[in-house]
Amino acid sequence: AQSVAQPEDQVNVAEGNPLTVKCTYSVSGNPYLFWYVQYPNRGLQFLLKYITGDNLVKGSYGFEAEFNKSQTSFHLKKPSALVSDSALYFCAVRDFPSGNTPLVFGKGTRLSVIA
Amino acid sequence: EAQVTQNPRYLITVTGKKLTVTCSQNMNHEYMSWYRQDPGLGLRQIYYSMNVEVTDKGDVPEGYKVSRKEKRNFPLILESPSPNQTSLYFCASSLSGQVTDTQYFGPGTRLTVL
Repeated sequence: AQSVAQPEDQVNVAEGNPLTVKCTYSVSGNPYLFWYVQYPNRGLQFLLKYITGDNLVKGSYGFEAEFNKSQTSFHLKKPSALVSDSALYFCAVRDFPSGNTPLVFGKGTRLSVIA
Repeated sequence: EAQVTQNPRYLITVTGKKLTVTCSQNMNHEYMSWYRQDPGLGLRQIYYSMNVEVTDKGDVPEGYKVSRKEKRNFPLILESPSPNQTSLYFCASSLSGQVTDTQYFGPGTRLTVL
């Protein structure tokens, strides 16, 4: 069964500094990886996904993620953090094949960007 | 505007009182799903539907029911709610059930069962 680990519950970064939110995964087949963001009292918003091809995926709001097959990682990055990036970030994975494979989420990482 | 809507957004109820949380999407998506979010556990899938009249259990289906009579609607039913069902619930939809599809989420329903 697929699984996702987000090793950090909380990440603090100063505004203007680069940020990284870590994610590692485990699947039996090919991984399909997603990042979502949850702002306070809001639903989850899709940021980006990796399906195949280029290992560097660019997404919404200036975020990008790097797929690393050998390290089974899919870390979320942004070159310059904004205070408005403060939110809860979820990494998720789906495996293939086998009927309905649910979107399996990590436990989330709370990002705090300090002015 | 393409969206997934849920109602109610907040609900406080008592043990055993049947309730329904509605979910509707206007994107003509075939696939719909319900998740619950609990602190430290991330999101876990409750039920999903690949299309009209096709539903199946997710990882945590106990105590829940669903139906899919129309493509746009996917209500979540708690026949006899219990305090351990206090949680934040999200409905999601995607074009199809393919693993590469992006799921789009509703705003969430915060349920408290006393």
